[in-house]
Parts: sequence; C-alpha cells; structure tokens
Amino acid sequence: SQQGEEDPQALSIQEGENATMNCSYKTSINNLQWYRQNSGRGLVHLILIRSNEREKHSGRLRVTLDTSKKSSSLLITASRAADTASYFCATSMYSGGGADGLTFGKGTHLIIQP
Amino acid sequence: GAGVSQSPRYKVAKRGQDVALRCDPISGHVSLFWYQQALGQGPEFLTYFQNEAQLDKSGLPSDRFFAERPEGSVSTLKIQRTQQEDSAVYLCASSSSGLSQTQYFGPGTRLLVL
Repeated sequence: SQQGEEDPQALSIQEGENATMNCSYKTSINNLQWYRQNSGRGLVHLILIRSNEREKHSGRLRVTLDTSKKSSSLLITASRAADTASYFCATSMYSGGGADGLTFGKGTHLIIQP
Repeated sequence: GAGVSQSPRYKVAKRGQDVALRCDPISGHVSLFWYQQALGQGPEFLTYFQNEAQLDKSGLPSDRFFAERPEGSVSTLKIQRTQQEDSAVYLCASSSSGLSQTQYFGPGTRLLVL
C-alpha cells in the first residue's frame, strides 16, 4: 500500500512558470524525500528533508514539511522543458540506526509546455 | 563512478516461467532495496538487505518471490511460476549506510508476463 498522495495528479504549465506539487502522508516519519522519474528512466533523488526541518532549498527546488499536517510541498521555480517528468514523494519511518524501504506516493506528472 | 545497474533491462516471460533479475549496487553500498512499480503507480517496497542479511522481506507479494545477496554485493530477485500480475518494472536501489540515507536507483527491469 502507498502512504503518500501527491496532488495534483497531473500539472501542465508554461516554461518559466513555477510548479508546486503537494504530498500528504499518513504516519509519523523520520524523513521525506522527493524523486523525479523521466519516461523510461529510473528514479533520481532530488532532495531529502528530515522530520525536524521545515524548509530546504536546492538550486531551483524548495521543499517544505509540515509534520503537524503530515504534508510536504515541492516548488520548482523558473521551470524548464527538461523538468517534464513524474515527481514522487517518499517517506521513511525508521530512525533506529538501520535502514528501511521507502513508501512512495502515486506521483505528480508534470508537463512543461515550451 | 558507476551507478546502480540492472539486467536485463527488458524481460518477456511466458506465464509459469521462472525469471531472475540482477542488481549491481554502487560499490561499497551496504544497503540494497528492491521495489516493484506497476504502470502509472509509485514504486512499492519489496525487500531490503544490509550486506548479505535480508532484514526485511515484508513487501514480497507471495512465496513465489525470492531475493538473495550472498556476498553482500550483487543481488538477484527471482520470481517463480510468473503470473500476468507480476508484469511491472522492478527497481533496485542502494544506499551507503543506514539511518534512512538517500537511495540511488537503477534503471529498472521491465518484466512483461504473457
């Protein structure tokens, strides 16, 4: 079963605009990660935010985390055609010094119109 | 440096056949994960290894699915008596250590069971 739910399921914007995607999850987490998946390719890690962090930046990416609402958002500024992809949030619950499998949402399919 | 590699990239099997999917993690990565991704869905966790030890196999859908990592490096996911519902992309990921570190994904093996 999948914990995360991304919103919207699909998003189409013009190149240069900002794109915002949201993710909601159900249980307590250790961290939340965002991944990108281009058509026919593997998942690429974008950014990780820990449960004690509220906001994180990486280049044109900005991620927020609200653990009280069990939600996160990914903002891509100044979008480019190459940003066209599916974006997934993934949560990790384990904090005991080992590792655990990630729980992914269903993804947001982002299309950047040239 | 080389990333995670998987082989074969594509596999077509007749229903009832056994298949073996291989994953070569990033050299030195302790943790290795297998995921199953159905069309239009996010990846779902199957199993996790720390070195050669299989610490979590809670996501394996049935006893037809078996994974091993005998020397703590290369891993094989075996599916016996394949069924049509096994058709999916099988993703392998590795990470350098525990504590829910970033997972690096391979390109996946696309399995089609006819």
